[in-house]
Amino acid sequence: AQSVTQLDSQVPVFEEAPVELRCNYSSSVSVYLFWYVQYPNQGLQLLLKYLSGSTLVKGINGFEAEFNKSQTSFHLRKPSVHISDTAEYFCAVKNAGNNRKLIWGLGTSLAVNP
Amino acid sequence: GAGVSQSPSNKVTEKGKDVELRCDPISGHTALYWYRQSLGQGLEFLIYFQGNSAPDKSGLPSDRFSAERTGGSVSTLTIQRTQQEDSAVYLCASSSSGLDIQYFGAGTRLSVL
Repeated sequence: AQSVTQLDSQVPVFEEAPVELRCNYSSSVSVYLFWYVQYPNQGLQLLLKYLSGSTLVKGINGFEAEFNKSQTSFHLRKPSVHISDTAEYFCAVKNAGNNRKLIWGLGTSLAVNP
Repeated sequence: GAGVSQSPSNKVTEKGKDVELRCDPISGHTALYWYRQSLGQGLEFLIYFQGNSAPDKSGLPSDRFSAERTGGSVSTLTIQRTQQEDSAVYLCASSSSGLDIQYFGAGTRLSVL
């Protein structure tokens, strides 16, 4: 069975500071990895994904994540955050190669303060 | 349509009543998913459709929950005899066969009084 652990439920940070949101997963098979963002009162939006190839993936809004197979991690980073980045961030994993369900972490609430 | 559409956006019902939640996926997307988002419990997979068939119903929490999809498009999630613990945001997503990106609707917020 697969599982996803987001190590921080809440991350407060000041504007223009760097941020890292941590995600670890467990799986016995190859996986695809995703980060989704949910802004207040809005639906989920794909931020970035890792399917194959380069382990450093870049997404929208200046976010990037690095897939580390040996550490089974997919941490999300941004070098300088904005107030508008305040949102809930979800890490998710699915079996590679079939079009099936996503397994989700519990989410990390990022609060960017002025 | 341009995106995944869900209706209603909000639903308030009394305990014991039945409710139907609708999802209209992105045109041409063959796969459709239902998830439930509860406070403090994150996102929970409910059911997955490929075309009109549901190869994975493993997430449905009880036999009060059912879903169908007709014409390979619109899907309806039905909850019978609603309970207060059914209160949550119900999210629908769709994806194109062969791709692995799921696109989400804005959800239906269900409140059972």
